[in-house]
Amino acid sequence: EDQVTQSPEALRLQEGESSSLNCSYTVSGLRGLFWYRQDPGKGPEFLFTLYSAGEEKEKERLKATLTKKESFLHITAPKPEDSATYLCAVLPINDYKLSFGAGTTVTVRA
Amino acid sequence: NAGVTQTPKFQVLKTGQSMTLQCAQDMNHNSMYWYRQDPGMGLRLIYYSASEGTTDKGEVPNGYNVSRLNKREFSLRLESAAPSQTSVYFCASSEAGSYQPQHFGDGTRLSIL
Repeated sequence: EDQVTQSPEALRLQEGESSSLNCSYTVSGLRGLFWYRQDPGKGPEFLFTLYSAGEEKEKERLKATLTKKESFLHITAPKPEDSATYLCAVLPINDYKLSFGAGTTVTVRA
Repeated sequence: NAGVTQTPKFQVLKTGQSMTLQCAQDMNHNSMYWYRQDPGMGLRLIYYSASEGTTDKGEVPNGYNVSRLNKREFSLRLESAAPSQTSVYFCASSEAGSYQPQHFGDGTRLSIL
């Protein structure tokens, strides 16, 4: 059974304090790993897709990386507007269904 | 750009009542999805429609039915609501191919008493 585990569940950061979120996954074969951002009361917003180990993607202060067992979302010098819940999802090779993790809620204090 | 629009945004039902959640997308996407999101759990797929005229069960389909009315619209129906169906429901759409990123609406918050 495909499993996606995100850690930590919650992360409180001071503005400018860089940190990383982890997404560990167990899947028979990976077609793609997706990162989303979700603000309170809103739907998830697509950030990145990673397809193979070693791949990296960047967007503003966010950088996503992928290995064969996990993905990291690095937040560099975060600002309060980076506060959100970050969701990770995996798409197995032989399936069409995304498996989502429970998310990491990031709070950045000014 | 509207993207994915869900109605209603909030709803309170009594056990046993029925209702339909509406979803429409204006991105000309072929694939559409219904998820539920519960505290401490990841999004779980209820039903999926790869293209107009086709629907497939997801991880948690029991108690739900869907209709892909046309390319734009995908509705979710609760025939006899139960308290266990209290949740936030999200509709999403994507271009053809499950590897394409999904675009989500802002959800319907449903409480069943």
